[in-house]
Amino acid sequence: SQQGEEDPQALSIQEGENATMNCSYKTSINNLQWYRQNSGRGLVHLILIRSNEREKHSGRLRVTLDTSKKSSSLLITASRAADTASYFCATAFYNTDKLIFGTGTRLQVFP
Amino acid sequence: DAGITQSPRHKVTETGTPVTLRCHQTENHRYMYWYRQDPGHGLRLIHYSYGVKDTDKGEVSDGYSVSRSKTEDFLLTLESATSSQTSVYFCAISERGFQETQYFGPGTRLLVL
Repeated sequence: SQQGEEDPQALSIQEGENATMNCSYKTSINNLQWYRQNSGRGLVHLILIRSNEREKHSGRLRVTLDTSKKSSSLLITASRAADTASYFCATAFYNTDKLIFGTGTRLQVFP
Repeated sequence: DAGITQSPRHKVTETGTPVTLRCHQTENHRYMYWYRQDPGHGLRLIHYSYGVKDTDKGEVSDGYSVSRSKTEDFLLTLESATSSQTSVYFCAISERGFQETQYFGPGTRLLVL
């Protein structure tokens, strides 16, 4: 399968802790995107990182991309209960015009 | 979810009946997509549109058809609903193409009995 694979599948942390999620893929990409989905809602775009970029920030979010290892990580710092959601990576592969979504990481942040 | 609405939000139907889901956008984006979301599968692309009357198949298009007669509306039809089509359906839009940021609607929960 070409889809990115998130790791871990589920993560539980306390408020204030950092949460790190990883996404691995198998073939060359144009870009990689992270989305959040709150229970019962649609996906919300968080960050897009292109293949020639190594790191991007948005507020408490930091995304890194290592094309040599074919992996990306999403770091949420100082997590809050409101960060409880599923997080998906979506990979835009070089040899296709599709955006392929992984199966997600379920993050639970306890107050 | 701003600028994208889906209707209905919930629907229960019986096997063999046709069902049409509607996606409406106010963003004037060129690209529109229909995905289904099922446990263990993530989001899978059903059909997409790259302009008015321009559509193409995605990964799981069997049993589905689409139409786009206006920029703002993208319809998904289940020609004869089956229980395997019980799912949550999401519409998405993007401005510049498939691999750019996609914006999602709130979803439609469909139960086929």
